[in-house]
Amino acid sequence: EPEVTQTPSHQVTQMGQEVILRCVPISNHLYFYWYRQILGQKVEFLVSFYNNEISEKSEIFDDQFSVERPDGSNFTLKIRSTKLEDSAMYFCATSRGSTEAFFGQGTRLTVV
Amino acid sequence: RKEVEQDPGPFNVPEGATVAFNCTYSNSASQSFFWYRQDCRKEPKLLMSVYSSGNEDGRFTAQLNRASQYISLLIRDSKLSDSATYLCVVNRVSSNTGKLIFGQGTTLQVKP
Repeated sequence: EPEVTQTPSHQVTQMGQEVILRCVPISNHLYFYWYRQILGQKVEFLVSFYNNEISEKSEIFDDQFSVERPDGSNFTLKIRSTKLEDSAMYFCATSRGSTEAFFGQGTRLTVV
Repeated sequence: RKEVEQDPGPFNVPEGATVAFNCTYSNSASQSFFWYRQDCRKEPKLLMSVYSSGNEDGRFTAQLNRASQYISLLIRDSKLSDSATYLCVVNRVSSNTGKLIFGQGTTLQVKP
């Protein structure tokens, strides 16, 4: 069964450092998303991406965040200068259309 | 008011019990509805889509009432392996992409 793949599974970084989280979508999916889940809290929408541009972003997705699909396969989330409160599980999700989405196993980001 | 509301539980039930979860959503523009399951520190996994006509998948039955903006999930003959957090999710489409809005989840513990 095709699946969304995320790397790394766990990233520890110092406050102020840049991190890049990577995702390989399911091959025939055209819609890509990033979500995050702070420990003990609900899953929150960050951004949606379609046709090589951002379709929608949440208030969380400020200037410190960016997404791109540099090589037609990977879909990346960059956090430019990490803060302690960025510590969370980051999930990539993809879908064929604007329907249900399938999630990767997540990257646990710990900012120290 | 939260866009998707669920009773967080926990629901503690014996094996074999029938358990029902409810969820309400506030945005009448929501277009698609789902139940996802999330195990501890894992990604959300699609359990089933929810339709107005009601749909069943084995021991699981989902129902949608658009007029009342209410979604339900019924689990019959619960198993130990059903222990997880059940996420009520609505999809709101804008700018050609869907955006999944998650409830905070309902925790189910099935005891032997």
